[in-house]
Amino acid sequence: QSALTQPPSVSEAPRQRVTISCSGSTSNIGNNAVNWYRQLPGKAPQLIIFYDDLLPSGVSDRFSGSKSGTSASLAISGLRSEDEADYYCAAWDDSLNGVVFGGGTKLTVL
Amino acid sequence: QVQLVESGGGGVQPGRSLRLSCAASGFSFSRYAMHWVRQAPGKGPEWVAVISYDGSKEYYVDSVKGRFTISRDNSKNTLYLEMNSLRAEDTALYYCAKSDDSLTGAGMDVWGQGTTVTV
Repeated sequence: QSALTQPPSVSEAPRQRVTISCSGSTSNIGNNAVNWYRQLPGKAPQLIIFYDDLLPSGVSDRFSGSKSGTSASLAISGLRSEDEADYYCAAWDDSLNGVVFGGGTKLTVL
Repeated sequence: QVQLVESGGGGVQPGRSLRLSCAASGFSFSRYAMHWVRQAPGKGPEWVAVISYDGSKEYYVDSVKGRFTISRDNSKNTLYLEMNSLRAEDTALYYCAKSDDSLTGAGMDVWGQGTTVTV
């Protein structure tokens, strides 16, 4: 049971927009920055959103992040087949004194 | 270019020890906190430990406390993970990752390719 809860899977058609939710608590999302990672098969996770809504250099602006209270969301617009991947949210947890990851969401582009 | 290269993984019997290394290059290693993150086959990432830029502070996930030790040698630009009393549930691909900013944050902007530990 992950400290951060994500839907196991989402799917959407090409060129559409999809959102992935991440639900936590006051000890993690409610009090700390949320980060989002994309992981392609056989590859290491890649940071795509940091500090809730900032894009690292080189990451497409089709990705956006938001946070409200103890929940966060990742949105991907203009979906492409290459966006198919596993997506994870992560945040520091003040109660656990460590990083917690969500269980991950598999994105399928129909 | 910015790079992290892990080594030291392998097969080991339960109860034995293993030491992982992570060689950093292309950035000022001594300025950043560093993490170890593991991923069991078919599972999502699990954070293992973090160490401050100067090695003065460390945090661990509960399941490895007292068994694993994270350390660093800034003169060698190298991060370590000493793993003792290994258990079957420690079997995973172990990544080292660079913190993007603070010690107590979950932003990791550079990852290695990982090294496999099989117990």
